[in-house]
Amino acid sequence: DGGITQSPKYLFRKEGQNVTLSCEQNLNHDAMYWYRQDPGQGLRLIYYSQIVNDFQKGDIAEGYSVSREKKESFPLTVTSAQKNPTAFYLCASSLGINTEAFFGQGTRLTVV
Amino acid sequence: QKEVEQNSGPLSVPEGAIASLNCTYSDRGSQSFFWYRQYSGKSPELIMSIYSNGDKEDGRFTAQLNKASQYVSLLIRDSQPSDSATYLCAVDGTASKLTFGTGTRLQVTL
Repeated sequence: DGGITQSPKYLFRKEGQNVTLSCEQNLNHDAMYWYRQDPGQGLRLIYYSQIVNDFQKGDIAEGYSVSREKKESFPLTVTSAQKNPTAFYLCASSLGINTEAFFGQGTRLTVV
Repeated sequence: QKEVEQNSGPLSVPEGAIASLNCTYSDRGSQSFFWYRQYSGKSPELIMSIYSNGDKEDGRFTAQLNKASQYVSLLIRDSQPSDSATYLCAVDGTASKLTFGTGTRLQVTL
């Protein structure tokens, strides 16, 4: 059953804590993306990767970090430097550049 | 100027009518254009992609692209209450990053 799996679905973070959101895909896609969505807002690009071992900053990369050691996996770490991390985080993947992207079910992160 | 712009709505149309959703983009080198539907609390779902000027039809949906005017639109014919959602326009530009608009909320009324 092919698709994109994000985990966990809900995540709670204490102030000053780093947390890592998982994103795995079995679609054999080269490109992967992380977006953040705030209530009533569109999607803002955090990081994207077009190929293994390479990634680029998006529009709001500050306070976040990623790695792309495997084609299937693109984890996102929300660091303590991200001052307002409460949001809906969406991972997507596509076959390559300029092709259709598909999303996982998302992770809701809340700071407590 | 935002890279991808959409009217936030809400756009209200009666059941059975045509809903017209619009999107403009700033990067003239953009090659790929997508429409996603997002229900409240859910992740976006791809409904249409378009790569060349003109119209592309898929069932009740028609995407229209005009690269000279940097304009892409989505028409939904015979609108149904189940079409009520937020519609996101996405553009893959010269930096090869997929950029989204803020979305237009569509309400289909009975």
